Amino acid sequence: DVKVTQSSRYLVKRTGEKVFLECVQDMDHENMFWYRQDPGLGLRLIYFSYDVKMKEKGDIPEGYSVSREKKERFSLILESASTNQTSMYLCASSLYQGGEGEQYFGPGTRLTVT
Amino acid sequence: AQSVTQPDIHITVSEGASLELRCNYSYGATPYLFWYVQSPGQGLQLLLKYFSGDTLVQGIKGFEAEFKRSQSSFNLRKPSVHWSDAAEYFCAVLRMDSSYKLIFGSGTRLLVRP
Repeated sequence: DVKVTQSSRYLVKRTGEKVFLECVQDMDHENMFWYRQDPGLGLRLIYFSYDVKMKEKGDIPEGYSVSREKKERFSLILESASTNQTSMYLCASSLYQGGEGEQYFGPGTRLTVT
Repeated sequence: AQSVTQPDIHITVSEGASLELRCNYSYGATPYLFWYVQSPGQGLQLLLKYFSGDTLVQGIKGFEAEFKRSQSSFNLRKPSVHWSDAAEYFCAVLRMDSSYKLIFGSGTRLLVRP
């Protein structure tokens, strides 16, 4: 079974702090994704990576950056956390080729910025 | 542009009753379609997927979905709902631009009456 893990289930940070959210997958997937989920808005893509050191902006990249130094790990960085970044953050991975695009999700990190 | 619409924000059914969750997509060719389920506080789990072939697809937990090209729909069904099915359900379509990104609907929250 594909396993996607996220470093924290719950996180509380102060405004202005630098925040790191870590995601690790164990199935050698090329693609990795970061989403945020807010009530009534569904999942919105923040950033996407299709290979090590490669990244692409999603629909809402402002205020975020990402890092992918190893294939299995994809980090989301909030350079200076703000209260409007309080949300549920979901990481996912998928095959680049050979699959049909289905994504496998981690359990999520609920981030509260005070 | 591709899009996914889930017209029902909330649905309430009695335990043992049948269920149908609606999903409409916009895309000219045959889409790759998915249904995911999210239990409270959890990540998303894939229920089923459709790429081609038989338009009625079976998934896990007793769910099925039918692809209807003429109606641009991919509705999720279950003949008899269990209390444990209470969750949020997301329909998604694969972007056909080789990016392997998914476009998600805004979700339908299912409540189950005892």
